[in-house]
Amino acid sequence: DTEVTQTPKHLVMGMTNKKSLKCEQHMGHRAMYWYKQKAKKPPELMFVYSYEKLSINESVPSRFSPECPNSSLLNLHLHALQPEDSALYLCASSQAEGSLGKLFFGSGTQLSVL
Amino acid sequence: SQQGEEDPQALSIQEGENATMNCSYKTSINNLQWYRQNSGRGLVHLILIRSNEREKHSGRLRVTLDTSKKSSSLLITASRAADTASYFCATAPTGANSKLTFGKGITLSVRP
Repeated sequence: DTEVTQTPKHLVMGMTNKKSLKCEQHMGHRAMYWYKQKAKKPPELMFVYSYEKLSINESVPSRFSPECPNSSLLNLHLHALQPEDSALYLCASSQAEGSLGKLFFGSGTQLSVL
Repeated sequence: SQQGEEDPQALSIQEGENATMNCSYKTSINNLQWYRQNSGRGLVHLILIRSNEREKHSGRLRVTLDTSKKSSSLLITASRAADTASYFCATAPTGANSKLTFGKGITLSVRP
């Protein structure tokens, strides 16, 4: 199984809602990532988890809260988002943290904040 | 700021032609990777070339790396309509805790 599975594929939420994005991989990868991608732009790194611990937070606003319940799962909790947070949110994994290996990406969650 | 910068920004070719995309970067790297992204989907890893390698092949893909010029090229031979996508180079800088950094991307359109 070389897949990274993200749910939901699409999400529409109001600015007062609380929602969560989910990501799962069963490749035994020990590093997992959240990226944000605006249309026609490259992915921007948000968070990195290594061995289930948060190792990188790219100064992301606190309305985004990541969680890694176990080595296969990664969540992104969303609260009080702004319309400018609308974007494609991508989860990725790699064998280990660091930039020496390739990333496996999920298909993403297209988020719209109204 | 992005480490890699691709050019051209957009490329339109006829099916069967070759497509060449270039990437330049600024600092020393461990490796350079190319990814493909179909519209609204996740990125798919295509190929990784290490700093001590000069050329690598994978199917219809050929990647070169020139560390003296800090540049790489991706050649797709005998292009197909299904190759229509955005292509990103991503650089892995040297140093501890380095992060993969994506370029702005190239939009490739292959006309049937």
